[in-house]
Amino acid sequence: DSGVTQTPKHLITATGQRVTLRCSPRSGDLSVYWYQQSLDQGLQFLIQYYNGEERAKGNILERFSAQQFPDLHSELNLSSLELGDSALYFCASSLMPGQDPQETQYFGPGTRLLVL
Amino acid sequence: GNSVTQMEGPVTLSEEAFLTINCTYTATGYPSLFWYVQYPGEGLQLLLKATKADDKGSNKGFEATYRKETTSFHLEKGSVQVSDSAVYFCALSGTYSGNTPLVFGKGTRLSVIA
Repeated sequence: DSGVTQTPKHLITATGQRVTLRCSPRSGDLSVYWYQQSLDQGLQFLIQYYNGEERAKGNILERFSAQQFPDLHSELNLSSLELGDSALYFCASSLMPGQDPQETQYFGPGTRLLVL
Repeated sequence: GNSVTQMEGPVTLSEEAFLTINCTYTATGYPSLFWYVQYPGEGLQLLLKATKADDKGSNKGFEATYRKETTSFHLEKGSVQVSDSAVYFCALSGTYSGNTPLVFGKGTRLSVIA
């Protein structure tokens, strides 16, 4: 158990809908990362927050957004969903803002999203 | 940009066989290198890491050595068990800008049969 929690575990929805995925980092960690794992693209970095502020952006679509709240939990919002958004979405956390390449990221169990 | 290339799977081995999963990388700066493992139905777990050239990471009988001259970080285990069946991901972090999202390889599925 990494200490990172994600809810829900599974989500089934329809095209055009909007969903929110939630992540709670390990106790004491200030940085949250979101990754998408799909069959065709593999594991890709989406976005990172540190202590409530956006820190780095990866291959995140404009239809997707995220935020980190004062209690440090984070939410990933996916809107106007398409079939291709079906994937496993992981959250990871680390202590620092991500300036140290040696720092380990700890992953949650993921949310599996299926868009029908 | 940074990238990681892993050997394609799936890899099927008998119990107690020797395992090698190849990983090579392209990166600017001095990245750290990681192996993560994903057991069926679970999230990613850090298996081992190495943060500078010639460092060897090790855990649970798995080893990998950071080779800067060949830009490689191959994963090895001397004697695999059925419980090692999982998907293994090689990853790197670290750029000149200092931001360190992980860049992953595509993963290698390992099946160990008794």
